[in-house]
Amino acid sequence: GPKVLQIPSHQIIDMGQMVTLNCDPVSNHLYFYWYKQILGQQMEFLVNFYNGKVMEKSKLFKDQFSVERPDGSYFTLKIQPTALEDSAVYFCASSLGVNQDTQYFGPGTRLLVL
Amino acid sequence: GEQVEQLPSILRVQEGSSASINCSYEDSASNYFPWYKQEPGENPKLIIDIRSNMERKQIQELIVLLDKKAKRFSLHITDTQPGDSAMYFCAASVGGGSNYKLTFGKGTLLTVTP
Repeated sequence: GPKVLQIPSHQIIDMGQMVTLNCDPVSNHLYFYWYKQILGQQMEFLVNFYNGKVMEKSKLFKDQFSVERPDGSYFTLKIQPTALEDSAVYFCASSLGVNQDTQYFGPGTRLLVL
Repeated sequence: GEQVEQLPSILRVQEGSSASINCSYEDSASNYFPWYKQEPGENPKLIIDIRSNMERKQIQELIVLLDKKAKRFSLHITDTQPGDSAMYFCAASVGGGSNYKLTFGKGTLLTVTP
């Protein structure tokens, strides 16, 4: 089936540093998402992105978070500065949109903030 | 915003028997209900979904039921196999518009014993 790729698979950084998580969505998909999953819990919606803009963000999407997809390259989630509570697995997802709602998830980036 | 309740959190069944997971939602505008299976360290994978214009959908051993009036939906796995052991997440979404986001339940850890 459709594949979403994420780079890196793991990232360990010191609190206060910046981190960028990269997502390569399914090639013809138009909607992109980030979800956060803390160990043992469910995925929680962070943000969705369409046509170069954030459409909706949740309260988990702090001011230190930003997303972009410059020139159709990777869809990125940047956290600057990071905090201890940002440690989680971050899943990128994409969907075709326009009544094709199925979201396909990438393998996740495991972020550990020390 | 939408809230999704999922029960049970832990389910243990014997191989060959059925397993049922129940979810309820609050937002009557939700019209798309996917189910994801997540194995340890893996990304969530869509296994079946149902839209609000249907009450029942079956793919092989997976059956999904939707009761819009009661705002409930459920997953039934018939003839379970050890390979069905995983975390299962239900989700709800208001699809068909410009903002898609999935609200997940807290998950059910299914263990199928030989």
